[in-house]
Amino acid sequence: DTAVSQTPKYLVTQMGNDKSIKCEQNLGHDTMYWYKQDSKKFLKIMFSYNNKELIINETVPNRFSPKSPDKAHLNLHINSLELGDSAVYFCASSHLYYNEQFFGPGTRLTVL
Amino acid sequence: GENVEQHPSTLSVQEGDSAVIKCTYSDSASNYFPWYKQELGKRPQLIIDIRSNVGEKKDQRIAVTLNKTAKHFSLHITETQPEDSAVYFCAAYGDSGYALNFGKGTSLLVTP
Repeated sequence: DTAVSQTPKYLVTQMGNDKSIKCEQNLGHDTMYWYKQDSKKFLKIMFSYNNKELIINETVPNRFSPKSPDKAHLNLHINSLELGDSAVYFCASSHLYYNEQFFGPGTRLTVL
Repeated sequence: GENVEQHPSTLSVQEGDSAVIKCTYSDSASNYFPWYKQELGKRPQLIIDIRSNVGEKKDQRIAVTLNKTAKHFSLHITETQPEDSAVYFCAAYGDSGYALNFGKGTSLLVTP
């Protein structure tokens, strides 16, 4: 009965490949997020979806494309992976507007 | 957009001492201020939060204070224990209420 889950937990791949990370929440939240945590531990918002609609798209290369098939799922697809994409990617969810966000366990992406 | 500054970046205390972490924010419209704890290799987890209509909130050994006029808020941990060792993040929602902006984190080490 995990609240926010992500797959895979680890992802090791070569430069230039395309990969996807999946996220699911069973909390009944209407808003989901993707964060990137770099090697210095800085947590940076990438995208946010509310009821399957994109509401935040920070300055992220267009190689990153989120997709929300329904309110409970938010996937992240990354094309043409680069070394600098290596990081931990966290999915999170919440009710919209000034509420606690619940984080998934993270996906550690390593690009070789 | 919202800018959250957090100090110090590292903090080392002896077991039983108190620890204080301070954050400032830029957007006067911000009205929700959570604190997250992230243990090594784990997800960020909410430990306490405060809304702008409250000046202080306490939960056992943890307390948060908010000064809206000065736009700063602080986390206070009393009687620290080795298991308090982790990275602590403050955050604030921007005026859209859609996304949390995180401080850069404070690495707290509690030595026995």
